[in-house]
Amino acid sequence: DVKVTQSSRYLVKRTGEKVFLECVQDMDHENMFWYRQDPGLGLRLIYFSYDVKMKEKGDIPEGYSVSREKKERFSLILESASTNQTSMYLCASSGYNSPLHFGNGTRLTVT
Amino acid sequence: GQQLNQSPQSMFIQEGEDVSMNCTSSSIFNTWLWYKQDPGEGPVLLIALYKAGELTSNGRLTAQFGITRKDSFLNISASIPSDVGIYFCAGHRKGRSYSGAGSYQLTFGKGTKLSVIP
Repeated sequence: DVKVTQSSRYLVKRTGEKVFLECVQDMDHENMFWYRQDPGLGLRLIYFSYDVKMKEKGDIPEGYSVSREKKERFSLILESASTNQTSMYLCASSGYNSPLHFGNGTRLTVT
Repeated sequence: GQQLNQSPQSMFIQEGEDVSMNCTSSSIFNTWLWYKQDPGEGPVLLIALYKAGELTSNGRLTAQFGITRKDSFLNISASIPSDVGIYFCAGHRKGRSYSGAGSYQLTFGKGTKLSVIP
């Protein structure tokens, strides 16, 4: 079974803090993704990566950056957290012949 | 980005009833996926469909890939309390291959929230 692991289930941060969300997958997938999920807005793609050190902006990249130094790990960075970034963050990965699998999510609260 | 039209948005049903939900799009997709999300958890893949007209089952769940490639349906038979959650559809344009430029993005529906009354 594909396993996508997000390092934290719950995080509480203060406005202006730098926040790191970590994600690791164990299936040697090429592609990794960060989504945020908000009530009424569905899943929105923040950033994705199709290879090590490669990254592409999704639909809502503003206020976020990402890092993919190793194939199995994809990090989402909030340079200066703001209250409108309070959300559920979902990491996912996919590979050839293997559709998107999600992690369990990180619920981030920015106060 | 584009969203799929998923309906209904929510439904309340009695335990034991059958459930139907669907997704439609103005664009053609070559793969349809159905996910379920339990409260506080990440979405879990239920069924993947790769061929127009395909009908695939996973236990009490049955999903169909519409013949026009612009829609898909998910049915749940004899619902039970643990069926509660949000069901998402997702469309993918390039079929089974999830690698290569432009092939890795999915388009999601906004979800159907299912409540089951015991």
